[in-house]
Amino acid sequence: RKEVEQDPGPFNVPEGATVAFNCTYSNSASQSFFWYRQDCRKEPKLLMSVYSSGNEDGRFTAQLNRASQYISLLIRDSKLSDSATYLCVVNIYNQGGKLIFGQGTELSVKP
Amino acid sequence: DAGITQSPRHKVTETGTPVTLRCHQTENHRYMYWYRQDPGHGLRLIHYSYGVKDTDKGEVSDGYSVSRSKTEDFLLTLESATSSQTSVYFCAISDQHDTSTDTQYFGPGTRLTVL
Repeated sequence: RKEVEQDPGPFNVPEGATVAFNCTYSNSASQSFFWYRQDCRKEPKLLMSVYSSGNEDGRFTAQLNRASQYISLLIRDSKLSDSATYLCVVNIYNQGGKLIFGQGTELSVKP
Repeated sequence: DAGITQSPRHKVTETGTPVTLRCHQTENHRYMYWYRQDPGHGLRLIHYSYGVKDTDKGEVSDGYSVSRSKTEDFLLTLESATSSQTSVYFCAISDQHDTSTDTQYFGPGTRLTVL
């Protein structure tokens, strides 16, 4: 079983739609959680960290459920420029500062 | 954008040849990482460095070696390239190893094809 699992998609949505991505992790020692964004043939870039209380950055909302070992990312009012692959990433406490990446969920926003 | 460059950006080589990829940073960050990215897998850590001449293995280190003789440069060597090492290789840097307090910044990647 993969340590971090995501639905690979693709998610095809119209502009203005709300879309949610989910991610599950298997190691209960996971300490920190992130969403990265990766554009086609580009490097990953940090989108946002995920905090226990949930956090919001503009149109993006991240949630963490430690009991269910589940992370989510909600994108409201989708823009064409949101088209990318979204990577769920965890830092596992007993593996030092190393990051474990999910395989990513592809989002395509259409006009 | 963090000052990270990778060279070459694209390379095609033949099975059995040695290949060296270079990662160069201008941020003076202590930690540097090499990842590979393949379809159906997330990014997987190959090796990382926590200082000059200090390196450690990651999840998929077999067939790879690294060296860091200067803070700014981290080299990844495929000692004898195989087709299974065809991949996109990303270098990353961070100032802290504790990613709960710091972010890893990625270079633009190197696309390597082993024929």
